[in-house]
Amino acid sequence: SQTIHQWPATLVQPVGSPLSLECTVEGTSNPNLYWYRQAAGRGLQLLFYSVGIGQISSEVPQNLSASRPQDRQFILSSKKLLLSDSGFYLCAWSSGTGTKNIQYFGAGTRLSVL
Amino acid sequence: AQSVTQLDSQVPVFEEAPVELRCNYSSSVSVYLFWYVQYPNQGLQLLLKYLSGSTLVKGINGFEAEFNKSQTSFHLRKPSVHISDTAEYFCAVTRGTNAGKSTFGDGTTLTVKP
Repeated sequence: SQTIHQWPATLVQPVGSPLSLECTVEGTSNPNLYWYRQAAGRGLQLLFYSVGIGQISSEVPQNLSASRPQDRQFILSSKKLLLSDSGFYLCAWSSGTGTKNIQYFGAGTRLSVL
Repeated sequence: AQSVTQLDSQVPVFEEAPVELRCNYSSSVSVYLFWYVQYPNQGLQLLLKYLSGSTLVKGINGFEAEFNKSQTSFHLRKPSVHISDTAEYFCAVTRGTNAGKSTFGDGTTLTVKP
């Protein structure tokens, strides 16, 4: 069966520090991969999605970036965090074909920028 | 472009009462519709989906939803809620062309009181 792992679960970082959040998927190949941010009391904002290695689409301009160095690995990064980067970050995957983009989510990373 | 509107940000109900969480969407093409549930500090979990066929779909935990094309709605219902149903619920839509990404509503917080 397929599983998705996301870490760390919680993270407290000072303003201006770098960020690296990692997400890996097991049990499937060539998944679509997604990074979302969920601010307190608000819905999900799609940040990045990827349909293959090295293929990243950015949905919103910001100081975050994403990379997909391997088929089932998706990394969210920042060189310098801002206070506004605080939130709950969710990684998700979906099958590339035939499943109408049903998404499966990781447990999330709670990021607090102080 | 597609959009999703969840008409109620918060819905408080008493245990064993019925509940309806409302979702309206707009799209110029055919869509697939989903409801996800998020328990505190966790990722999202698929509750149910409409892909095609019968407009009444049943999901996990006794929830069901009805797709109404003329009213562009996909309301979620449960005839009798439990305390354990307290969570945030998200409606989502994917274009029929399966472009690889979904649009999520802002979420509805369901609070079940004893």
